[in-house]
Amino acid sequence: EDQVTQSPEALRLQEGESSSLNCSYTVSGLRGLFWYRQDPGKGPEFLFTLYSAGEEKEKERLKATLTKKESFLHITAPKPEDSATYLCAVQAAGGTSYGKLTFGQGTILTVHP
Amino acid sequence: NAGVTQTPKFQVLKTGQSMTLQCAQDMNHNSMYWYRQDPGMGLRLIYYSASEGTTDKGEVPNGYNVSRLNKREFSLRLESAAPSQTSVYFCASSAKVASYEQYFGPGTRLTVT
Repeated sequence: EDQVTQSPEALRLQEGESSSLNCSYTVSGLRGLFWYRQDPGKGPEFLFTLYSAGEEKEKERLKATLTKKESFLHITAPKPEDSATYLCAVQAAGGTSYGKLTFGQGTILTVHP
Repeated sequence: NAGVTQTPKFQVLKTGQSMTLQCAQDMNHNSMYWYRQDPGMGLRLIYYSASEGTTDKGEVPNGYNVSRLNKREFSLRLESAAPSQTSVYFCASSAKVASYEQYFGPGTRLTVT
């Protein structure tokens, strides 16, 4: 069974204080790993897709990296507007799980001014 | 370009009542999905439609039915609502089922009393 574990559950940072969020996964053949941002009362907003170990993607203050067992979302010099819940999801290659995303429970990030 | 839209935004039902949640996308995507999000459980897939004319069960399909009305629209029906179906429901779409990011709608908050 595919599993995704995100840590920490909650993270409080001061504005400008860089940090990383972790996503550990177990999947029978990774087709893709996805990062989403979710603001309160809204749907998840797509951020990145990573396909293979060693791959990196960047967007503004965010950088996502991928190894064979985990992914990190690095936040450099965060601002209060980066406060949100960050979700990680994996998609397995083939089998009965074809097309299905398995989500972690998310990390709630709060950035204080 | 509205992306993925959902109606209604909020709904309160009594146990045993039925209702249909509507979802539409204007991105010409082939695949559409229904998820529910519950505290401590993360996002879980209810049903998905890989392409127009096909539907498949996800992780938690019991108590739900779906209809892929056309390429744009995918509805979720609760035939006899139960308190356990109190949740936030999200519709999503993607260009294809495999390896493509999913784009989410704003959600429907459903309470069953």
